[in-house]
Amino acid sequence: EIVMTQSPATLSVSPGERATLSCRASQSVSSNLAWYQQTPGQAPRLLIYDASIRATGIPARFSGSGSGTEFTLTISILQSEDFAVYYCQQYDTWPLTFGGGTTVEIK
Amino acid sequence: QLQLQESGPGLVKPSETLSLTCTVSGGSISSSNYYWGWIRQPPGKGLEWIGSIYYSGSTYCKPSLKSRVTISVDTSKNQFSLNLSSVTAADTAVYYCASYNSGSFGDSWGQGTPVTVSS
Repeated sequence: EIVMTQSPATLSVSPGERATLSCRASQSVSSNLAWYQQTPGQAPRLLIYDASIRATGIPARFSGSGSGTEFTLTISILQSEDFAVYYCQQYDTWPLTFGGGTTVEIK
Repeated sequence: QLQLQESGPGLVKPSETLSLTCTVSGGSISSSNYYWGWIRQPPGKGLEWIGSIYYSGSTYCKPSLKSRVTISVDTSKNQFSLNLSSVTAADTAVYYCASYNSGSFGDSWGQGTPVTVSS
């Protein structure tokens, strides 16, 4: 199965700053990658699919890039509601696999 | 917008079978656009995909769980279900169901249901 590795595990950022999260696949997944946001006690929410397409209702401050094995989620200006855990997931090959997550915390 | 809701026991004894149902509203489970998936999250840990099913009954499962997992669909009730047999404490988690657009990414999720495996 394809192993997804996210870095860093924790990112400390001040509100208003930019956050850059990374996701690496153990083999190419083309652009078949999604990003999710999860806040405490809530279900994950789809942010990005096909590596760079924002899901319905997702603010423009969220952007995704990359292809192959290297992917990035950027949050351009962090708002208070953006402090959460972010997961990447590949869907190029069964079984579907998630990364271990990056926690974005308030600095 | 699809809505999904998990239901089932919150406590299961070791060695028994965990059974959960996901009820879909706001759309048909027979839609050709979706697979229907189960995902779990152990306390304090990340997300783990368990398996997905198409309305026709075609399924994909995580290989390490495949011997214990049965996923089924009931189109007449707009529901799909998860059975996980021979559970242990390691199966304690919040279990989510989700709609997987073209079998790819989960665009609608249930709120999750916590399941504890304990005697």
